[in-house]
Amino acid sequence: SAVISQKPSRDICQRGTSLTIQCQVDSQVTMMFWYRQQPGQSLTLIATANQGSEATYESGFVIDKFPISRPNLTFSTLTVSNMSPEDSSIYLCSVGGEQRGYGYTFGSGTRLTVV
Amino acid sequence: GNSVTQMEGPVTLSEEAFLTINCTYTATGYPSLFWYVQYPGEGLQLLLKATKADDKGSNKGFEATYRKETTSFHLEKGSVQVSDSAVYFCALTHGSSNTGKLIFGQGTTLQVKP
Repeated sequence: SAVISQKPSRDICQRGTSLTIQCQVDSQVTMMFWYRQQPGQSLTLIATANQGSEATYESGFVIDKFPISRPNLTFSTLTVSNMSPEDSSIYLCSVGGEQRGYGYTFGSGTRLTVV
Repeated sequence: GNSVTQMEGPVTLSEEAFLTINCTYTATGYPSLFWYVQYPGEGLQLLLKATKADDKGSNKGFEATYRKETTSFHLEKGSVQVSDSAVYFCALTHGSSNTGKLIFGQGTTLQVKP
């Protein structure tokens, strides 16, 4: 299965600023996914990022707040813009789902605290 | 719509006890089902999976059987260890199309005491 390197692993940011999270995969993948895990909660899909096209956002998430780049088949970034304390969460990238039933691999996550 | 429901936690057990974490799902078509584990301070790891009815996924002593008649995928382990303490997530992918999106249950925290 793919290996994902995600960074930063954690950060403490001031409100109103932006943070860009990077995910690097050791193999080419079609789909990459970005999830948010709020404290003590489950994972919620933010968007699906395919190379060469605009990311597809889930209900409740918008591009202005969470812009995503996918410049090639091994790399993606998620930016959390104009942060507020409510954005404090773990953000995870994931790859997989290329074929039915294949497992999904997750990055180790970025633990974001907004103060 | 598609959804996953897990039993409420936390689940607290003594070492070597039998574990069951219930998971039921609602989905159109034939979803693939997964259990993920999140150890403290870490990301998610795939624990096991099943892609069709009556399949049994197994790994590290954990098992789960895809039961279409009861729309369930309960996680079991015969003898838990302290090192199994973690949060366990049941998840599915849409069965009707390969969109690749995972839908997660709310997670169940397992605490195993020595």
